[in-house]
Amino acid sequence: NAGVTQTPKFQVLKTGQSMTLQCAQDMNHEYMSWYRQDPGMGLRLIHYSVGAGITDQGEVPNGYNVSRSTTEDFPLRLLSAAPSQTSVYFCASKGRYTEAFFGQGTRLTVV
Amino acid sequence: AQSVSQHNHHVILSEAASLELGCNYSYGGTVNLFWYVQYPGQHLQLLLKYFSGDPLVKGIKGFEAEFIKSKFSFNLRKPSVQWSDTAEYFCAVTSDQKVTFGIGTKLQVIP
Repeated sequence: NAGVTQTPKFQVLKTGQSMTLQCAQDMNHEYMSWYRQDPGMGLRLIHYSVGAGITDQGEVPNGYNVSRSTTEDFPLRLLSAAPSQTSVYFCASKGRYTEAFFGQGTRLTVV
Repeated sequence: AQSVSQHNHHVILSEAASLELGCNYSYGGTVNLFWYVQYPGQHLQLLLKYFSGDPLVKGIKGFEAEFIKSKFSFNLRKPSVQWSDTAEYFCAVTSDQKVTFGIGTKLQVIP
């Protein structure tokens, strides 16, 4: 049982480049979300989804896009990377009566 | 909107000292409460959770937390900390599936 699989683990981007962070879960959870973690700021919600075809903005959505075409997958797209997006990104999934399960994280550096 | 406050951002303790980390949440409806731990360089792992029932919840590694509904609190405790408890601790609250985290408390245990 893989749980939440998040790739890549590390990424360096140049300003203006785009990329997609992948997230997949095999627990049939309805709820999936993306967070960014910055020193002293805890985890801030970027986007979330309560089911296939449904997405919504979190606390810090600017510069990021998501889609949820299947229950399993919830990719996060950076449209035009900026140094302010240098962070550690976590994907999480949650069942209706469970805790949130986290991926291993992606350490992203934008230069 | 729900919010979570963690009062202690950085705690330093000697081994064998007792630990109590404060967590208060703001939400008027039914909530589920969690404590997560993040060891350096790793993702978040669940320590304990409260959905209903006994407000005193026991988790892994000797941690426990007490839900006090009248005080909107869910404080984390451990009678005797170990050096291996050095980590960052996050309180989280969920309602309607959305998970909101506190800013985190960094615990440093000195041998």
